[in-house]
Amino acid sequence: NAGVTQTPKFRILKIGQSMTLQCTQDMNHNYMYWYRQDPGMGLKLIYYSVGAGITDKGEVPNGYNVSRSTTEDFPLRLELAAPSQTSVYFCASSLRTSGRNIQFFGPGTRLTVL
Amino acid sequence: GDSVTQMEGPVTLSEEAFLTINCTYTATGYPSLFWYVQYPGEGLQLLLKATKADDKGSNKGFEATYRKETTSFHLEKGSVQVSDSAVYFCALSDRGTSYDKVIFGPGTSLSVIP
Repeated sequence: NAGVTQTPKFRILKIGQSMTLQCTQDMNHNYMYWYRQDPGMGLKLIYYSVGAGITDKGEVPNGYNVSRSTTEDFPLRLELAAPSQTSVYFCASSLRTSGRNIQFFGPGTRLTVL
Repeated sequence: GDSVTQMEGPVTLSEEAFLTINCTYTATGYPSLFWYVQYPGEGLQLLLKATKADDKGSNKGFEATYRKETTSFHLEKGSVQVSDSAVYFCALSDRGTSYDKVIFGPGTSLSVIP
């Protein structure tokens, strides 16, 4: 199993550009998540999905969009990049088992918006 | 709402020193508790977990005990190594939400010097 994979690893965007961060998991997990990690701030949940076709907003969804057409894939879309979106983005997945949510994380995408 | 508080870092220790990273939580329900570790340039990975009061989670020489009376889950290791240098996140999983929401603390950076 590759686990959770993310592409790209690094990206520099200009203000106003758009991009899609890719996330794929091969563990047949039903739950998937997108977080952003700002220096010294921990993780903040952007969007999550409890299954194919079902997504919902987390704490900080503004400026982002997601879709979940398959169990495996959960891309995150930035439409109009802003400097405030400079961050490290992590995708995670989990298999809900008796309420013990253990999340598996990808290696992250480091995004800089200039 | 639910929250997790961790001791502020960075923490710098000499090799073979004793490690304690304090973590306390606030939760309305009966959460599961976790410690995640993030090595440089990588995503988070589960280090250990505990799902009920007085449970002790352990892995790789690290331990933490779920203390409901003091709402704490402190991480300890008897003898740290240089390879333990990483950021450590305390987290709780709230079983009351539809997606088993996980709340992460801000992280504590640990540097172990030879």
